[in-house]
Amino acid sequence: DTGVSQNPRHKITKRGQNVTFRCDPISEHNRLYWYRQTLGQGPEFLTYFQNEAQLEKSRLLSDRFSAERPKGSFSTLEIQRTEQGDSAMYLCASVRDSYEQYFGPGTRLTVT
Amino acid sequence: DQQVKQNSPSLSVQEGRISILNCDYTNSMFDYFLWYKKYPAEGPTFLISISSIKDKNEDGRFTVFLNKSAKHLSLHIVPSQPGDSAVYFCAASQYNTDKLIFGTGTRLQVFP
Repeated sequence: DTGVSQNPRHKITKRGQNVTFRCDPISEHNRLYWYRQTLGQGPEFLTYFQNEAQLEKSRLLSDRFSAERPKGSFSTLEIQRTEQGDSAMYLCASVRDSYEQYFGPGTRLTVT
Repeated sequence: DQQVKQNSPSLSVQEGRISILNCDYTNSMFDYFLWYKKYPAEGPTFLISISSIKDKNEDGRFTVFLNKSAKHLSLHIVPSQPGDSAVYFCAASQYNTDKLIFGTGTRLQVFP
């Protein structure tokens, strides 16, 4: 059990550019979640996958955001045409059969 | 609409004493509650959880109490240690929705 990993850990991009983050969940965890955390707030749910199926998307996930989990293993979160309001910590979590979600270290995005 | 609330943004406790962190929720459909601990630049780490059918769950120095009638839960840490200094998030889940709803966090500082 190597834990949830996320890459990159930090990303600085200019407004209008596209960015992609990757999450590798704990092996055999079939559910994978994406959250976003801004300063002074708790993590906010964005979307989740059961294996390769994306089952729910938050209204926070505008059409500039897209997430995939093509083979039911790792997942990617892409943000197109980034805006300064997208600056946040993007967290990934995975879980197998319980409520306890295990989080990765996050990717901190800064849009300049 | 903040469904999970942590009204104390910070708490300072002397080493060896008890730390009590509080959390209130508004959605009576929540059936599982969790506490996470977060250090700077890291993802949240799962600490302890409780099902809505219980009123207490204990794990070492950590105990979570749930008062369903008051829609209130608390995390007790005893004895508190300097390594407990972190931000603590309360989270709630509703059956069949899978996502976690987080509070805004309480920063705990344990001083010698």
